[in-house]
Amino acid sequence: DSGVTQTPKHLITATGQRVTLRCSPRSGDLSVYWYQQSLDQGLQFLIQYYNGEERAKGNILERFSAQQFPDLHSELNLSSLELGDSALYFCASSVGLEGPGYTFGSGTRLTVV
Amino acid sequence: SQQGEEDPQALSIQEGENATMNCSYKTSINNLQWYRQNSGRGLVHLILIRSNEREKHSGRLRVTLDTSKKSSSLLITASRAADTASYFCATSGSARQLTFGSGTQLTVLP
Repeated sequence: DSGVTQTPKHLITATGQRVTLRCSPRSGDLSVYWYQQSLDQGLQFLIQYYNGEERAKGNILERFSAQQFPDLHSELNLSSLELGDSALYFCASSVGLEGPGYTFGSGTRLTVV
Repeated sequence: SQQGEEDPQALSIQEGENATMNCSYKTSINNLQWYRQNSGRGLVHLILIRSNEREKHSGRLRVTLDTSKKSSSLLITASRAADTASYFCATSGSARQLTFGSGTQLTVLP
């Protein structure tokens, strides 16, 4: 157990639907990062939050959004889902704004059918 | 887009042999990290080397960094079947997030 908790572990949904992925960071970590891992794109950074505020944005689609709550857990919302959104979605956390150590959760496997 | 490439994409060795993986990156970095991922599972942090370091050891792992060539290598000595996994390098630079390479799939045969 890395200390970063992601739920659910698996999610199967239909095209056009909306899902929410949840991440609880390791105790004491203020930064939360979301990554997408797919066969064709590899591991892609999506977005970072630090202490409730968005701090960096990567290759995140407009159909995707995220937020970090006062208790520091984070949610990644994926809407108007397409088949190509099927991927592993990882959350990572770190103490500071720039790591340096990052702890990853075990991921949520999203399958869009 | 990914920061760099890893070489080889796949590596198959016998138990007890050493495994070497290489990583190249494109931009200046603050540090470079190596992660392991067992099939479909989460990423496990292995080792971090800072830009002013040239070599670092951790157990059976040895990492080198050559900032002039923008490259790093990961050596796993005396490999075991349990080392079978994908290995990724990730760089941290002016951007706060990690940027990952494409990974090397290591298979250690018993």
